[in-house]
Amino acid sequence: DVKVTQSSRYLVKRTGEKVFLECVQDMDHENMFWYRQDPGLGLRLIYFSYDVKMKEKGDIPEGYSVSREKKERFSLILESASTNQTSMYLCASSFHGVANEKLFFGSGTQLSVL
Amino acid sequence: SQELEQSPQSLIVQEGKNLTINCTSSKTLYGLYWYKQKYGEGLIFLMMLQKGGEEKSHEKITAKLDEKKQQSSLHITASQPSHAGIYLCGADQGYSRGSNYKLTFGKGTLLTVNP
Repeated sequence: DVKVTQSSRYLVKRTGEKVFLECVQDMDHENMFWYRQDPGLGLRLIYFSYDVKMKEKGDIPEGYSVSREKKERFSLILESASTNQTSMYLCASSFHGVANEKLFFGSGTQLSVL
Repeated sequence: SQELEQSPQSLIVQEGKNLTINCTSSKTLYGLYWYKQKYGEGLIFLMMLQKGGEEKSHEKITAKLDEKKQQSSLHITASQPSHAGIYLCGADQGYSRGSNYKLTFGKGTLLTVNP
């Protein structure tokens, strides 16, 4: 079974802190994604990557950056955490092929910024 | 960008009842995904529909994509407490048809099944 592992289930940080959210997948997937999920707003794409060192902005990249130095690992960075970044963060991965490929999701990280 | 409208936003049913969740797109759907999410957890893939008129079933859950490929429905027969959760539809916004880049999601439907 494909496994997408997010490093923390719950995280509490203070405003202004630099925050790292880590995601690792074990299926050699090319694509990796970071979403945030908020009540009433659903899932929104922050950044995605289709290869090592490659990244593209999603719909809400402001205040975030990402890093993909190895194929299996995709990190989301909050340079200076703010209270409006309190949210559930979901990592996902998929193959990139000619047919539709489903996303595999991690269990999520609930981040609270105080 | 593509927008997905899900209805209803929430649903409470008695165990054993049937129910339907709808997902409507502002654009033609090239790939429509249904996911389920238990509260506070990640998303679990249920089904993917691609062709107009396509219908797929898994256990007591059936998903359909209409002929015009702008609306999908998810139907649960004889609901059970294990069906409770958030159901989300997602659509392919890929750069090329069939690509899984940039999946856009609806806001979800919260299903409660009372025993």
